[in-house]
Amino acid sequence: NAGVTQTPKFQVLKTGQSMTLQCAQDMNHEYMSWYRQDPGMGLRLIHYSVGAGITDQGEVPNGYNVSRSTTEDFPLRLLSAAPSQTSVYFCASSKPQGAKTYEQYFGPGTRLTVT
Amino acid sequence: GNSVTQMEGPVTLSEEAFLTINCTYTATGYPSLFWYVQYPGEGLQLLLKATKADDKGSNKGFEATYRKETTSFHLEKGSVQVSDSAVYFCALRNTGFQKLVFGTGTRLLVSP
Repeated sequence: NAGVTQTPKFQVLKTGQSMTLQCAQDMNHEYMSWYRQDPGMGLRLIHYSVGAGITDQGEVPNGYNVSRSTTEDFPLRLLSAAPSQTSVYFCASSKPQGAKTYEQYFGPGTRLTVT
Repeated sequence: GNSVTQMEGPVTLSEEAFLTINCTYTATGYPSLFWYVQYPGEGLQLLLKATKADDKGSNKGFEATYRKETTSFHLEKGSVQVSDSAVYFCALRNTGFQKLVFGTGTRLLVSP
């Protein structure tokens, strides 16, 4: 198993450009999510999905879109990049294993800089 | 609402010193509690977890006890190594939900 994979590892965008951050998992996990990590703020949830065809907003969804057409893939789209979106982005997935034991597996991250 | 508060870092220790990283939480219901570790340039990895009051999670010499009376989940290790240098995140998840709520992270620096 490759686990959770993310591409690209690094990206530089100009303000106003759009792009898609890719996330895939091969563990047949139903739940997938996107976080952003900023200094002094920990990880904040952007969007999440509880299964194919179902997505919902997290804590900081503005400026981002997601879709979940398959169980494996959960891309994150930046519609019009802004410097405030400079961050490290992590994708995570999990599969229910019981009432309280949902372990989330994280990808290696994408470091995005918007100039 | 749910929130997690961690001590600010960085925490700087010499090898073989005792480590404590404080974590307190606010939550409705009975959350599960987690410690994640992030090594330089990598994603987060689950270090340990506890799912109910008085449970002790442990892994790689690290321990944390779920204390409901003080709403705390402090991370401890008896003797740190240089290889433990990383950022440590405390997190909670409420029953029936999969969303994690993270603290701000505490950077640990261990010198030889």
